[in-house]
Amino acid sequence: QLQLQESGPGLVKPSETLSLTCTVSGAPIRRSSYYWGWIRQTPGKGLEWIGSIHYSGNTYSNPSLKGRLTISVDMAKNQVSLRLSSVTAADTAVYYCGRHLAYNVGSVRGWFDPWGQGTLVTVSS
Amino acid sequence: QSVLTQPPSVSGAPGQGVTISCTGSDSNIGAPHDVHWYQQLPGTAPKLLIYGNNKRPSGVPDRFSGSKSDTSASLVITGLQAEDEADYYCQSYDSSMSGSVFGGGTKLTVL
Repeated sequence: QLQLQESGPGLVKPSETLSLTCTVSGAPIRRSSYYWGWIRQTPGKGLEWIGSIHYSGNTYSNPSLKGRLTISVDMAKNQVSLRLSSVTAADTAVYYCGRHLAYNVGSVRGWFDPWGQGTLVTVSS
Repeated sequence: QSVLTQPPSVSGAPGQGVTISCTGSDSNIGAPHDVHWYQQLPGTAPKLLIYGNNKRPSGVPDRFSGSKSDTSASLVITGLQAEDEADYYCQSYDSSMSGSVFGGGTKLTVL
């Protein structure tokens, strides 16, 4: 059974870098038809797609976060990582990782299933 | 403000049915790109409910159904049960941003 688990600091200072890891169990990250995505949820803006990565390194990101966002994969550890730089209070959210089932490797048209349980990250001094 | 528009709340009595709408534009639902639906029970992560407009994952009751037309989609829940009380989100792909977009969510209250 595929399971995803997010981990990382729950508190990050403004202007610093938010770093989270998603550990995947029950299936190898190296599956050709899967992307691995990050989604965040805030009370004010609901669900927001952050970005998704294929094991080949092909990555798609939300244009609103480009320039601050890095997503990577570690196939040896079966993990996906997220780094978001120069954070502000607006980046306070519950961050989820999810398997992103894309119709084809050339785009991220598709849906998310399953999701991790999520981790709350607060940006505050 | 979300790219896809959903009503903030809907309600219905046990046994009745409700419809949750999701309205987009020509760059997402109307492109046409498929619509997917998620159920989020209080304090938990979203769970896939409908994918590819109208397909149910294994384990999802047939009381839940989805449809799509032009730039809108709908989630229909029949035979409401107390455990259906949750937030529901639609999601699609948007060609203009080459990525996923979500609706703002609809809170379902079972009266």
